[in-house]
Amino acid sequence: GAVVSQHPSWVICKSGTSVKIECRSLDFQATTMFWYRQFPKQSLMLMATSNEGSKATYEQGVEKDKFLINHASLTLSTLTVTSAHPEDSSFYICSARERRGTGELFFGEGSRLTVL
Amino acid sequence: AQKITQTQPGMFVQEKEAVTLDCTYDTSDPSYGLFWYKQPSSGEMIFLIYQGSYDQQNATEGRYSLNFQKARKSANLVISASQLGDSAMYFCAMREGNNFNKFYFGSGTKLNVKP
Repeated sequence: GAVVSQHPSWVICKSGTSVKIECRSLDFQATTMFWYRQFPKQSLMLMATSNEGSKATYEQGVEKDKFLINHASLTLSTLTVTSAHPEDSSFYICSARERRGTGELFFGEGSRLTVL
Repeated sequence: AQKITQTQPGMFVQEKEAVTLDCTYDTSDPSYGLFWYKQPSSGEMIFLIYQGSYDQQNATEGRYSLNFQKARKSANLVISASQLGDSAMYFCAMREGNNFNKFYFGSGTKLNVKP
């Protein structure tokens, strides 16, 4: 199947700093990528849909200015958590969809953010 | 209403036995896709199996099979001959209609395989 790579896997930062997470589709072009947040023992919560060359579409309740999404190329989307606070600590996962086939989502490995 | 419902927060199964993880869905669109993903403790989401709404036969992938009952709107995952490595969270998901940009996930089932 298609490969989606996410980096970094783990990140620890101080409160008030910004953290950037990258999501890359390694062997296919992804015009659309998705960013999820997952709290412990809970399901994935869709945060936003990242569209190449245009603004991201955010889900209700997700702060656009807090979670900046950029999809500058067909293989890269980034999520920047700005002025991070301890409550932003979470597991963030990206996914991408191949246009061909069943439309299944391929997921990155996830990034665990801890804000001190 | 919930699009995807997984009613089993946790399940135990003895190694080498089969286990069924339940999933029901809600949609009025005749075209949809159903997926199962496995999430080990490491966090990555691993695609297991797919069933299209127009598929006549139940999907199978190795030890995984999907018991698709369209009238009941259920898509249960059956894992045969459980292995210790099957211990993980399992998520049922649905792509509704031809809107490839929307996936709905269930709340997940934590499967523990006992030796």
